[in-house]
Amino acid sequence: RKEVEQDPGPFNVPEGATVAFNCTYSNSASQSFFWYRQDCRKEPKLLMSVYSSGNEDGRFTAQLNRASQYISLLIRDSKLSDSATYLCVVNWLRTDKLIFGTGTRLQVFP
Amino acid sequence: GAVVSQHPSWVICKSGTSVKIECRSLDFQATTMFWYRQFPKQSLMLMATSNEGSKATYEQGVEKDKFLINHASLTLSTLTVTSAHPEDSSFYICSARDMGLVGETQYFGPGTRLLVL
Repeated sequence: RKEVEQDPGPFNVPEGATVAFNCTYSNSASQSFFWYRQDCRKEPKLLMSVYSSGNEDGRFTAQLNRASQYISLLIRDSKLSDSATYLCVVNWLRTDKLIFGTGTRLQVFP
Repeated sequence: GAVVSQHPSWVICKSGTSVKIECRSLDFQATTMFWYRQFPKQSLMLMATSNEGSKATYEQGVEKDKFLINHASLTLSTLTVTSAHPEDSSFYICSARDMGLVGETQYFGPGTRLLVL
């Protein structure tokens, strides 16, 4: 089983749509959780950290369910510029390591 | 935010040559840097953790004699792919850990595309 699993997509949605991505992780000792965005042929960039209580940043909402080892990202009012690959990333307890999922590809069309 | 640079951004070389990639933290000191590799349509895989002034820690399956890492200063880590072969062709990305006032954050460099012919 992969350490971090994501649906690879692609998710093709029209502008203005709401889209949700899910991610599951296998290591219950994971302590920190993130969503990164990666554009084609570019490096990943931090989109947001994910907190146990859930957190929101503008059109983006992240949720964490530790019991189910599940993370989600909700994007409201999708923009064309949201088209990218969204990486679910987990940091294990007492390590520096970031474990990346394979990413979920989002394509927003006009 | 903090900036991490990589050089070169891309390189094409013949099989058997060695390639050095530099990773620099431009506006902060990084005692720890990380080297990742990403093959097409796959996730980033951590290759090694580079620690300033000490030996790098390699992940399982990564040959330390093939991927030489040197972290000689608080702002520079280098990865040398020795005797490169076509299967080493990949996207190599470094990150640097900033222990800033707002907490620890890893910043990624723009990556280096390596193509071995």
